[in-house]
Amino acid sequence: SQQGEEDPQALSIQEGENATMNCSYKTSINNLQWYRQNSGRGLVHLILIRSNEREKHSGRLRVTLDTSKKSSSLLITASRAADTASYFCATTDNYGQNFVFGPGTRLSVLP
Amino acid sequence: EAGVVQSPRYKIIEKKQPVAFWCNPISGHNTLYWYRQNLGQGPELLIRYENEEAVDDSQLPKDRFSAERLKGVDSTLKIQPAELGDSAVYLCASSSTSGQVRAKNIQYFGAGTRLSVL
Repeated sequence: SQQGEEDPQALSIQEGENATMNCSYKTSINNLQWYRQNSGRGLVHLILIRSNEREKHSGRLRVTLDTSKKSSSLLITASRAADTASYFCATTDNYGQNFVFGPGTRLSVLP
Repeated sequence: EAGVVQSPRYKIIEKKQPVAFWCNPISGHNTLYWYRQNLGQGPELLIRYENEEAVDDSQLPKDRFSAERLKGVDSTLKIQPAELGDSAVYLCASSSTSGQVRAKNIQYFGAGTRLSVL
């Protein structure tokens, strides 16, 4: 069964706007990662946040983690058409293994 | 540095036929994963290798699926016989357990093999 659940399933915004995607999970984790997948391609790692961290930044990406609520959010600021893709969260258990991906959020950034 | 290479990119077969996928991970990556991704869904782990040992194959349908990773480098995933429900994208990923702790958990994915079973 998939542990991560992204919300919303699909998101459509205008270029320049911010996009926020959420991820919820069920059990204790070692870390949570966000990946991007362009149509017809493999997944690309974006950012990793460990269970003892609350916020991470990487360029236009900002990730938060709330272990008490078992949830994470990914914020993409000043979105571009090239950000159009599916975004997945993946959790790793306390042994650092057992990747479990959520069903993803399909983001469309309109020019 | 070359990424994870998978072949073929596309495969169309009739049901009950056998099919095989090949994966060449990033050089030096000792952990290799095979995932299945259905349309509109996230990847689901089929099997994970640490070097040549399969350490997690709990989600691999063993009646028809098999995998091997000889010499702990390249890997093949086989389906025999294929069923209609096997139509999906099969993704291979690799990661390294050496280096910084943070980097150990990052997986690098190939482009996948899209299988269509008719």
